[in-house]
Amino acid sequence: AQKVTQAQTEISVVEKEDVTLDCVYETRDTTYYLFWYKQPPSGELVFLIRRNSFDEQNEISGRYSWNFQKSTSSFNFTITASQVVDSAVYFCALTLNDYKLSFGAGTTVTVRA
Amino acid sequence: EAGVTQFPSHSVIEKGQTVTLRCDPISGHDNLYWYRRVMGKEIKFLLHFVKESKQDESGMPNNRFLAERTGGTYSTLKVQPAELEDSGVYFCASSQERTSGSHEQYFGPGTRLTVT
Repeated sequence: AQKVTQAQTEISVVEKEDVTLDCVYETRDTTYYLFWYKQPPSGELVFLIRRNSFDEQNEISGRYSWNFQKSTSSFNFTITASQVVDSAVYFCALTLNDYKLSFGAGTTVTVRA
Repeated sequence: EAGVTQFPSHSVIEKGQTVTLRCDPISGHDNLYWYRRVMGKEIKFLLHFVKESKQDESGMPNNRFLAERTGGTYSTLKVQPAELEDSGVYFCASSQERTSGSHEQYFGPGTRLTVT
């Protein structure tokens, strides 16, 4: 069985600070896919990134960056120079077959002006 | 292009009553999923449709839950009779077929169900 752990329940930062969200996963399979989703106050889950288990390259997209380390089974997410609009709940998820997602409990990020 | 829509946005019912949630996926998406988040816990998978067929219903909690997708378009999730522990947010998502190259699941805003 797969498991995703997001140990941080809530993080509060002041605007322009960097914030890193931790995600640790468990699976015995060698092929899997990892995701990050953002849930703004409007409620819908917004897709941020998908990585497969064979691609350990870190990725940067604007102020967002992701650090995938298979050695520690982690897929951490960093928001650089945070803004108030980044306030949301962020979910890390894992799937073996690209269909059924297993989510972590989510981390609530509050960015104060 | 319209996103995934869900109706109602919020439902409050009494224990023992029946509630039907509806999801309209993105047009052309063969895959449709239901997930549920209970009391701030993890979002849990309920089931997966490919067109009108149930591909995986391993997450359905018990036989009080019935999901349908007649005609392979919209889907309904009926809870009958509802229990207190069914309260939570029910998310629907849809995605294209793998062969199209897209793996992203697009989520709706969810239906918040409160059973009193």
